[in-house]
Amino acid sequence: NAGVTQTPKFQVLKTGQSMTLQCAQDMNHEYMSWYRQDPGMGLRLIHYSVGAGITDQGEVPNGYNVSRSTTEDFPLRLLSAAPSQTSVYFCASWGPGQGYYNSPLHFGNGTRLTVT
Amino acid sequence: SQQGEEDPQALSIQEGENATMNCSYKTSINNLQWYRQNSGRGLVHLILIRSNEREKHSGRLRVTLDTSKKSSSLLITASRAADTASYFCATDARHNQGGKLIFGQGTELSVKP
Repeated sequence: NAGVTQTPKFQVLKTGQSMTLQCAQDMNHEYMSWYRQDPGMGLRLIHYSVGAGITDQGEVPNGYNVSRSTTEDFPLRLLSAAPSQTSVYFCASWGPGQGYYNSPLHFGNGTRLTVT
Repeated sequence: SQQGEEDPQALSIQEGENATMNCSYKTSINNLQWYRQNSGRGLVHLILIRSNEREKHSGRLRVTLDTSKKSSSLLITASRAADTASYFCATDARHNQGGKLIFGQGTELSVKP
């Protein structure tokens, strides 16, 4: 199993450009989420989805859009990139596993985004 | 902020020594989890402790949970250079849907050979 796959690994954007960070999982997990990681801030939740067609905002949603048309994919869109969005972005998925509250998140390897 | 706090922010020890990291959180939880992150990589799950558990072991890892103090600790015994990484605690808050974790800021562990 590939697990959670994120593309691209690195990206440089100019202020105002748009792009989509891709995330796919092959574990048939209903729950998927996006986090950003900044130095000294840990991971902060941007958006999450509990299933196809259902998304909700996390702690830091401004400047980002998401949609969930399939169970497998959960892309993150930056409509107009800003330098404050320079960060490392992680996608994660979750499924109930052995017990509803006993399962960990599965993370991709991240996308390192720089906005100049 | 919803985030919990971890201390110390950075820890440097010699190989063979024990490393202890602490985590405090703010809300009632279903479980608390610890993750490890090697430089430039994603997070890898280490151990999960449920709210009705007080201590859990996995190999060289020992996790304790005190829900009355809203705190947890991670102990790595007989550390190795390969344990050098950042360690994060994360809470699955009560009434949240599973998987919506809130992370602490992390502890950066350096184990010198």
